[in-house]
Amino acid sequence: AQSVSQHNHHVILSEAASLELGCNYSYGGTVNLFWYVQYPGQHLQLLLKYFSGDPLVKGIKGFEAEFIKSKFSFNLRKPSVQWSDTAEYFCAERKGAGTALIFGKGTTLSVSS
Amino acid sequence: GAVVSQHPSWVICKSGTSVKIECRSLDFQATTMFWYRQFPKQSLMLMATSNEGSKATYEQGVEKDKFLINHASLTLSTLTVTSAHPEDSSFYICSAREVAGVGYNEQFFGPGTRLTVL
Repeated sequence: AQSVSQHNHHVILSEAASLELGCNYSYGGTVNLFWYVQYPGQHLQLLLKYFSGDPLVKGIKGFEAEFIKSKFSFNLRKPSVQWSDTAEYFCAERKGAGTALIFGKGTTLSVSS
Repeated sequence: GAVVSQHPSWVICKSGTSVKIECRSLDFQATTMFWYRQFPKQSLMLMATSNEGSKATYEQGVEKDKFLINHASLTLSTLTVTSAHPEDSSFYICSAREVAGVGYNEQFFGPGTRLTVL
């Protein structure tokens, strides 16, 4: 069965610190990978996605992620976090365009100013 | 961008009653919609896949007679929680996949519906 593992449950950083959130996926075939953010009281927003091509994906709000097939990983990074990045971050995968997303358990990011 | 709405955003009901939650794609047509539930501080768990004009496909462990899904049009899917009990209290989120076009390979999420069963 598909599964997505997010290693960090809760990450606490100071503003301007660098961020890396781990994500490992399980499916070995063609995979679509996503990172979503959920700000307090708001709905899910897509940060970035990977379908194929350049394994380094740039997203919105200065986020990026790197797809490493040999490690089944798709870690999210941001060089310098802001207080407004405080949110819940979800990694997700799916087998193909018509199927549902399978989400990881999420990582809570708290950024102190 | 593609917008998905849910109604109501928040509902409180008594145990034993039924609650209907609507999911609408506002500016695109969606052959497929997905229903998830999210418990506090937890991830989204897929409940079912809803295809327009056909029966929904439920994930293992989800009672199809309790969570009735209807996808009668390309812009509307409904989830009815029948005979709701306190353990059904959760955050229900839908997503929709565009029939064709730019959004074909994406899923657009609704804002969610918080259900509280007393």
